[in-house]
Amino acid sequence: QKEVEQDPGPLSVPEGAIVSLNCTYSNSAFQYFMWYRQYSRKGPELLMYTYSSGNKEDGRFTAQVDKSSKYISLFIRDSQPSDSATYLCALGGNNRLAFGKGNQVVVIP
Amino acid sequence: NAGVTQTPKFQVLKTGQSMTLQCAQDMNHEYMSWYRQDPGMGLRLIHYSVGAGITDQGEVPNGYNVSRSTTEDFPLRLLSAAPSQTSVYFCASRTPRGTYEQYFGPGTRLTVT
Repeated sequence: QKEVEQDPGPLSVPEGAIVSLNCTYSNSAFQYFMWYRQYSRKGPELLMYTYSSGNKEDGRFTAQVDKSSKYISLFIRDSQPSDSATYLCALGGNNRLAFGKGNQVVVIP
Repeated sequence: NAGVTQTPKFQVLKTGQSMTLQCAQDMNHEYMSWYRQDPGMGLRLIHYSVGAGITDQGEVPNGYNVSRSTTEDFPLRLLSAAPSQTSVYFCASRTPRGTYEQYFGPGTRLTVT
């Protein structure tokens, strides 16, 4: 079983739709959870960060963590064409970081 | 703050040539890392450093060398470039304590012919 599983997609949605992305993980040592956004030909940019189970909101973005199920999600409300990017989950714990392979999202105007 | 900077942005090498990818950060972060990103493979850790004078291997270290003489700089050396090293290289940094928030540079796109 891979340490972090993230369905690579791609995911195409119409503008205004809700985008739902998720990752599963196997190692309970991971206690810190992040989402990165990576535009084409750019570096990953830290989008959301949380360390507890539950929801964290930042504008149109919501990060959700369920440690008991080892499952994390990112929701994007009212999606915009500018949200078209690859989204990577990242998990931290035991002094190491593990990344999902990324999920390409295309928001169609 | 410039954050994490990388040079060059693009590079083309011939097989067997050597070069150094530069990375610098101005956030006083102790941890610095080098990753390569290939289609379908995600980010793979090449080498990392937990502070000046201390480096260690990551997942895919073969063919690469690093050194860390200052907190700010963490260059990556390709000893004898091979076509398999064609990739996008990202440098990243973070603080060692409390959080795992890591910040990435803009990347170097390397092609080896």
